[in-house]
Amino acid sequence: KAGVTQTPRYLIKTRGQQVTLSCSPISGHRSVSWYQQTPGQGLQFLFEYFSETQRNKGNFPGRFSGRQFSNSRSEMNVSTLELGDSALYLCASSEDFNSPLHFGNGTRLTVT
Amino acid sequence: GQSLEQPSEVTAVEGAIVQINCTYQTSGFYGLSWYQQHDGGAPTFLSYNALDGLEETGRFSSFLSRSDSYGYLLLQELQMKDSASYFCAVKRDDKIIFGKGTRLHILP
Repeated sequence: KAGVTQTPRYLIKTRGQQVTLSCSPISGHRSVSWYQQTPGQGLQFLFEYFSETQRNKGNFPGRFSGRQFSNSRSEMNVSTLELGDSALYLCASSEDFNSPLHFGNGTRLTVT
Repeated sequence: GQSLEQPSEVTAVEGAIVQINCTYQTSGFYGLSWYQQHDGGAPTFLSYNALDGLEETGRFSSFLSRSDSYGYLLLQELQMKDSASYFCAVKRDDKIIFGKGTRLHILP
């Protein structure tokens, strides 16, 4: 099976812009979750989707949003980018809620 | 609050054994997981302890004691390729909480 695929791998944006990141889960996995990874804060949970529904959300402002499509592919969007949004954004898929996470290689976002 | 505490760095010698601890100040979670992440790579799942006790997978073992709010990852016969960051994680209220990770340095 192909692994979790995230696109793009690298992205450079300027403050105030918005960005959309894409994630294709492992075939058959219906749960997709997103994380922000920074050197100072580590891995922080953004949100989780299952069957096109957001199940829960981490402690991030409303500028961070996401969605999941019927084929389980997911996108996350960050609007009005701030310098502090520079991070590695990781997507993970799993078979169900309590199964191990399978991570993609991430999208490295740099906000200038 | 909800937090997982891990040492930021650990150094060990190739061929030796190293233990990475994870203590937590949260309750009501579904087990303790461990993930490995090499520089520039994606985190990969290593082990999961649903119940108290020891789980062994090859050179890696993981332990959980809910009464002591404590778990650890044990790596045996260390190899240079084990140089990576290791994260413990729990799931509580359907949200996954990760420790900040332990950077493992291995000396030849």
